[in-house]
Amino acid sequence: EDQVTQSPEALRLQEGESSSLNCSYTVSGLRGLFWYRQDPGKGPEFLFTLYSAGEEKEKERLKATLTKKESFLHITAPKPEDSATYLCAVPIDDMRFGAGTRLTVKP
Amino acid sequence: EAGVTQFPSHSVIEKGQTVTLRCDPISGHDNLYWYRRVMGKEIKFLLHFVKESKQDESGMPNNRFLAERTGGTYSTLKVQPAELEDSGVYFCASSQGDSGRTGELFFGEGSRLTVL
Repeated sequence: EDQVTQSPEALRLQEGESSSLNCSYTVSGLRGLFWYRQDPGKGPEFLFTLYSAGEEKEKERLKATLTKKESFLHITAPKPEDSATYLCAVPIDDMRFGAGTRLTVKP
Repeated sequence: EAGVTQFPSHSVIEKGQTVTLRCDPISGHDNLYWYRRVMGKEIKFLLHFVKESKQDESGMPNNRFLAERTGGTYSTLKVQPAELEDSGVYFCASSQGDSGRTGELFFGEGSRLTVL
């Protein structure tokens, strides 16, 4: 069965402490993997699309990478404003989302 | 440019009552989607409109849910009669092209539904 699994469920970092979030998938014929950011009380906000293994995308302190089995969202020197839930999704059943990683960055 | 707007932001109703949620997509976006997140679960797809036509409604949980998109502009999602398990946050999203290819969905802030 096609699955999208995110880990960890929650991550607490100190400001400036770099880390990575994981999104693993078991999808045959992957046609793309998407990352979103969701702030409390808001809808998800689109960040990146990755299409093929080896591809990387960057935006400010965020860098997303893709392998044949998983994607990583690397956060370099995070700031408190990076605190949010980060969601990955794949285009099956129209769009299937992972459960998300809730990131908290303490000053 | 106005984003996707949803109304109401929060609705509290009794089991058995009817609720209608409204979504206004970004102007010019032909694709409109409804998703929902029930407590503790991931966001799940409900249905997809292209203009006024239902492209895919495979995620609609049962026939108590009815979605419409009159004239290909705003959309409504009606739940009648509401059950306790319908409680959650209902998100609307829109896109200009096929979001399944680009992933670039623009979401509203959601309508929180509480069924007592």
